[in-house]
Amino acid sequence: GNSVTQMEGPVTLSEEAFLTINCTYTATGYPSLFWYVQYPGEGLQLLLKATKADDKGSNKGFEATYRKETTSFHLEKGSVQVSDSAVYFCALKHQGGKLIFGQGTELSVKP
Amino acid sequence: GAVVSQHPSRVICKSGTSVKIECRSLDFQATTMFWYRQFPKQSLMLMATSNEGSKATYEQGVEKDKFLINHASLTLSTLTVTSAHPEDSSFYICSAADGTKDTEAFFGQGTRLTVV
Repeated sequence: GNSVTQMEGPVTLSEEAFLTINCTYTATGYPSLFWYVQYPGEGLQLLLKATKADDKGSNKGFEATYRKETTSFHLEKGSVQVSDSAVYFCALKHQGGKLIFGQGTELSVKP
Repeated sequence: GAVVSQHPSRVICKSGTSVKIECRSLDFQATTMFWYRQFPKQSLMLMATSNEGSKATYEQGVEKDKFLINHASLTLSTLTVTSAHPEDSSFYICSAADGTKDTEAFFGQGTRLTVV
């Protein structure tokens, strides 16, 4: 079946450090892939997405590239800020619009 | 982006009572709405999918008589937790999508339910 696996957290970084959060997926066909961010006590916000192989999604300095050959969609940011502290979810879009989420990775950025 | 409003953001209720959570799409027609449950420090678990005017489709293991979902209009879906118990305490999140367009679903702010 379809599934998403992300690296476990929490991830703790210093401000301006480089961020990578790994995400791999298992799916039939060619799903769309997403990264969502959840700030404490809030719902989810779409961070970026990619709909086909080799697409790169980007937003707010974050990037992720849809890699079909490695079934991956790793999230990266060159220089994190304290305000980036949140939980990040990788997800794929199943038929019918269902989103299948990874387990979430908590990021904590220290000044 | 599109706005989905979920209300209330927090609710505390007594064990045995029912609680209704509303999810509204403010600037688009939500032909499909999804209800998720999130346990502390865990991922989102899809509870059910509802299409406007139809009965909701529940995921395996979700009690449909306990979690009543109504999607009577293109802008409103409700989740009612009936006869709530402390184990129902959780963070509930809705998302809404326009199935006529190839766009992503948009999420509400979530509802923190505490049953005492």
